Amino acid sequence: GDSVTQMEGPVTLSEEAFLTINCTYTATGYPSLFWYVQYPGEGLQLLLKATKADDKGSNKGFEATYRKETTSFHLEKGSVQVSDSAVYFCALSLSQGGSEKLVFGKGMKLTVNP
Amino acid sequence: GAVVSQHPSRVICKSGTSVKIECRSLDFQATTMFWYRQFPKKSLMLMATSNEGSKATYEQGVEKDKFLINHASLTLSTLTVTSAHPEDSSFYICSANQGLAQFFGPGTRLTVL
Repeated sequence: GDSVTQMEGPVTLSEEAFLTINCTYTATGYPSLFWYVQYPGEGLQLLLKATKADDKGSNKGFEATYRKETTSFHLEKGSVQVSDSAVYFCALSLSQGGSEKLVFGKGMKLTVNP
Repeated sequence: GAVVSQHPSRVICKSGTSVKIECRSLDFQATTMFWYRQFPKKSLMLMATSNEGSKATYEQGVEKDKFLINHASLTLSTLTVTSAHPEDSSFYICSANQGLAQFFGPGTRLTVL
């Protein structure tokens, strides 16, 4: 079935460090790919997305490129900040009757220290 | 952006009782809402898709008689955990569709004693 595998962490980094969170997927057809972020005490928020191969999603300094050949959607940021401390979820979507059904990875908790 | 609320944020109940969790889209109408369950160190697992004015669609392995879903209006869906047991303790999260985008509530922590 369709699934998402991502780094689980937890990961602790110092401010201004480089961040990579690996994400690979298994899917029938051509899913859209997403990164969601959950800040402490808040709901999940869409961070970025890509809907087709070679698309690059970007937001708040984060980037991820849809790689069909490696079925990957790794998240990167060149210089993390304390405010980036959160849980990050990779996800893919499957169309279901006009709605997008999401399949999530397990999430990775990131802590950034000053 | 669109806002989704959940109530309550935390609930503790005795085994055998029923608990209702509300999910509201505050500034938009949602014909479709989703209910997820999140175990510790596990991903969000889709439980069911809630459609306004019709029966919910449950994922395989989810007991529809135990997890009752009612989507009575375009801004409200409720999840009732009936005859709750300790194994039902979990974090329940809803989301609401606006077009093809999903907006998530902050979640409800259920603890069954």
